[in-house]
Amino acid sequence: GIQVEQSPPDLILQEGANSTLRCNFSDSVNNLQWFHQNPWGQLINLFYIPSGTKQNGRLSATTVATERYSLLYISSSQTTDSGVYFCAVGRGAQKLVFGQGTRLTINP
Amino acid sequence: EADIYQTPRYLVIGTGKKITLECSQTMGHDKMYWYQQDPGMELHLIHYSYGVNSTEKGDLSSESTVSRIRTEHFPLTLESARPSHTSQYLCASRGQQNYGYTFGSGTRLTVV
Repeated sequence: GIQVEQSPPDLILQEGANSTLRCNFSDSVNNLQWFHQNPWGQLINLFYIPSGTKQNGRLSATTVATERYSLLYISSSQTTDSGVYFCAVGRGAQKLVFGQGTRLTINP
Repeated sequence: EADIYQTPRYLVIGTGKKITLECSQTMGHDKMYWYQQDPGMELHLIHYSYGVNSTEKGDLSSESTVSRIRTEHFPLTLESARPSHTSQYLCASRGQQNYGYTFGSGTRLTVV
C-alpha cells in the first residue's frame, strides 16, 4: 500500500514565525488532503490538494504530484495554530492513508 | 461547515457493556468510514462502507461491528467493551464527485 511520511515530527515556534510542513508519499495519488487536529481532537479539513497550489488566509499548500510530495505553509503563526497536522493520501476509490502527523506548538 | 455528526462526544463506560457510537451525515455521501485514533497518533481505518448494505473491515483489526441500513447513518457497535477499546473514534464521509473526506467531531471513549 501507499506509504506516507511527514516531517518534521515535532515543531516548536514563537508566535509570528513561519513554518513549512512536508508530506512525502510512495506512489501516485489523486487525493491528498491536509488536516489540522485541534487539542479537542477535532479533525479540520484544511486543503484538498492532489496537485497545484492553494491558499486560504495565512495557510497555503503546494503538491508536486510528479515528485510525490506536498508542502503546507503557515505564515505569521498564532497560538491557535497549535495542534497536529496530518497529511492523507488516496488513489481512486481507495481508502485514505494518513501520515503520522507533525505536532506544532506555537508559544506566545 | 461539516454536515457530519457524531454522538456522544465523550463516553465513559464499564467493562462488558454494549455501546453504539452514532454517525450521521446530511450530504448524501455514499462512502463512509470509521477511524480509530489514540491521542496525537496516526489514524487507522477500522470499517468502511460504499453504500447501503455494504460494509467492509479496514486495515486495523477491530472487535467492533458496523451497519449501513440508510445512506445517512453509519453506526459502530461494541458488543462488550474492554479497556483496550479506549480511544477516539472518528467518522468520515465523501461523495462521488469529490474525493475529499469530511470528518465528524469524534467520540472519545473510555472503558473503565
